[in-house]
Amino acid sequence: QQQVKQSPQSLIVQKGGIPIINCAYENTAFDYFPWYQQFPGKGPALLIAIRPDVSEKKEGRFTISFNKSAKQFSLHIMDSQPGDSATYFCAARVLSFGNEKLTFGTGTRLTIIP
Amino acid sequence: DAGITQSPRYKITETGRQVTLMCHQTWSHSYMFWYRQDLGHGLRLIYYSAAADITDKGEVPDGYVVSRSKTENFPLTLESATRSQTSVYFCASSDRGTGNYGYTFGSGTRLTVV
Repeated sequence: QQQVKQSPQSLIVQKGGIPIINCAYENTAFDYFPWYQQFPGKGPALLIAIRPDVSEKKEGRFTISFNKSAKQFSLHIMDSQPGDSATYFCAARVLSFGNEKLTFGTGTRLTIIP
Repeated sequence: DAGITQSPRYKITETGRQVTLMCHQTWSHSYMFWYRQDLGHGLRLIYYSAAADITDKGEVPDGYVVSRSKTENFPLTLESATRSQTSVYFCASSDRGTGNYGYTFGSGTRLTVV
């Protein structure tokens, strides 16, 4: 059962373009939505995160847009660079009996071509 | 050096063998997690621990055993390895108390079961 659905699976964008990665969820108990960036041979690293009471969050060239009613959120990368080429994972957190769990999407392999 | 370290980085084992993957963190984070990463599935939670001596199952626990006698260590044991357990395994830690809910991941262990 995939609780967080991520698309597309792969994405190729020209340098300077704006790649957009989308995620959707069903569980309304999710209360925190982070994005992770993973380079080959490395573990995922926290990139940016948002809470459901905020519709947009920007950190540098990275922006999360959040639509609570549609249960969807997306990552936009402004002025994309070849160094942004990586796999991106969206995730959603739930607190259950005092314990937190992150559920990840299936990942998007992003390639920025010069 | 502070951080989260996994060992070994690469492991090849035979079907039926027992193998243990190690994870060590230096921050005294209360939460630790084991994920496996497979193409098309993203990151799936195997087991997690909220504190020393407290562990619980994640999404895909079958065939795995964990223990956490000390806060800083969280080993993952495959009791009788199967080919379906060929994967990249990531350990992560988190400290809910700081308000920073991001997970910090290790660099992963690539396990091949032949």
